[in-house]
Amino acid sequence: AQTIHQWPVAEIKAVGSPLSLGCTIKGKSSPNLYWYWQATGGTLQQLFYSITVGQVESVVQLNLSASRPKDDQFILSTEKLLLSHSGFYLCAWSPDNYEQYFGPGTRLTVL
Amino acid sequence: GEQVEQRPPHLSVREGDSAIIICTYTDSATAYFSWYKQEAGAGLQLLMSVLSNVDRKEEQGLTVLLNKKDKRLSLNLTAAHPGDSAVYFCAVERGSALGRLHFGAGTQLIVIP
Repeated sequence: AQTIHQWPVAEIKAVGSPLSLGCTIKGKSSPNLYWYWQATGGTLQQLFYSITVGQVESVVQLNLSASRPKDDQFILSTEKLLLSHSGFYLCAWSPDNYEQYFGPGTRLTVL
Repeated sequence: GEQVEQRPPHLSVREGDSAIIICTYTDSATAYFSWYKQEAGAGLQLLMSVLSNVDRKEEQGLTVLLNKKDKRLSLNLTAAHPGDSAVYFCAVERGSALGRLHFGAGTQLIVIP
C-alpha cells in the first residue's frame, strides 16, 4: 500500500525567513506529485505539479518554488516568507493524473 | 478558465437524514469529477470519483450524480451520522490537463446526534 508523509507537521516562522517543506511517497514508483495551499477555512489552490524527477511545473506564482530531487520526494521552499504564506500546505500524489491522494498536511504560521 | 461553485457553504442535518451538496462547473470539457472529505486539521480523503461517461455512482451510503447538460455534480449522503461531520469539497478536471484539479469552496457539514 502507498503511504504519503509530510514534514514538518507544523511550523512557526518569521517574515523574511526561509522555508522548506517536504513530502515523501512510499510504495509507488514514478507518481505524479502536487503541492496545494489552503488558506484557513478556504479552498485548495494547486501550486505545483511534477510528473518526473527533476521536472516541476508552476501553476500559481506565490513566491514559492518546488523541486523533485528524487522519484519519491517533493520539496516546497522559499528564501523569504511573507505573511500571506500562512496556511495549510498539502502534498498529493496520483497514479494517473485523475485520482489524487493527499498527505496529512503542514500547518504554516508566519509572524 | 474553469469556475467551480459549491453550495451550500454550511449544512446542518440530524442524524439519519440525508445531506446533499451541489457543485456547478463552467468548462464543458471537464472530464473527471471527485468528492473529498476533510476533517479538522487533516488532509483530504478521496470519497468518490467519476469520469464523464458515468451519470450515477453509489458506494457505502454515498451517491454521486452527474448532469453534464446542466454542468452539475452532486453528492448525497444518505442516513448521515455524526462521523460524517466535516468539510466536503468537490474537485473537477479537464481530461487533457495534467492533474489540474479545480476545487469548490467547500461545504461545512454538521450532523446533529
